[in-house]
Amino acid sequence: GENVEQHPSTLSVQEGDSAVIKCTYSDSASNYFPWYKQELGKRPQLIIDIRSNVGEKKDQRIAVTLNKTAKHFSLHITETQPEDSAVYFCAASTGTSGSARQLTFGSGTQLTVLP
Amino acid sequence: NAGVTQTPKFQVLKTGQSMTLQCAQDMNHEYMSWYRQDPGMGLRLIHYSVGAGITDQGEVPNGYNVSRSTTEDFPLRLLSAAPSQTSVYFCASSPLMGPYGYTFGSGTRLTVV
Repeated sequence: GENVEQHPSTLSVQEGDSAVIKCTYSDSASNYFPWYKQELGKRPQLIIDIRSNVGEKKDQRIAVTLNKTAKHFSLHITETQPEDSAVYFCAASTGTSGSARQLTFGSGTQLTVLP
Repeated sequence: NAGVTQTPKFQVLKTGQSMTLQCAQDMNHEYMSWYRQDPGMGLRLIHYSVGAGITDQGEVPNGYNVSRSTTEDFPLRLLSAAPSQTSVYFCASSPLMGPYGYTFGSGTRLTVV
């Protein structure tokens, strides 16, 4: 089955700096890659996703890049703010329909933005 | 819309007891799933369903049972609770087709003593 590895497990940045979280996946058939943000004691929430026919996607201060050849994808957060502090999870799936919708998650990155 | 509703929010069980975690969604989503979240291990899939009457196992199904009699409800049953099942459980749903992410419930924090 799919295996998703996520690095780093913890990341501290100064407010205003950029943060980058990286994930690698094992199944070359994977084609859907969402990112979730989970604040302390809350549920995971989708913040951005990308499909394999796109190399990069941006939404305001958040961007995701995908390298299919190397089987890795990354989350980039620019101009970080204290409210960006949370655990971030990457995930991958082999499809967007039927049983292929099941997501395999990375182990998470605790991002702390220091004021 | 309430989204995905999970009950209870907290539960303490004794080893060997059984219980059912409830999950309901009002978005007419065909796909529903249960994950457990443990420190440092991310979210691991327990069971999932692609529609009423259809369920399948995920990565860590042992000790859990599910059924899907309606589109809205997807309960998770712990047959005989063990301390290793102490975890936070999340239910998630999404449409069956299309590039849509999951909507998660608020979670159930379960402690087995």
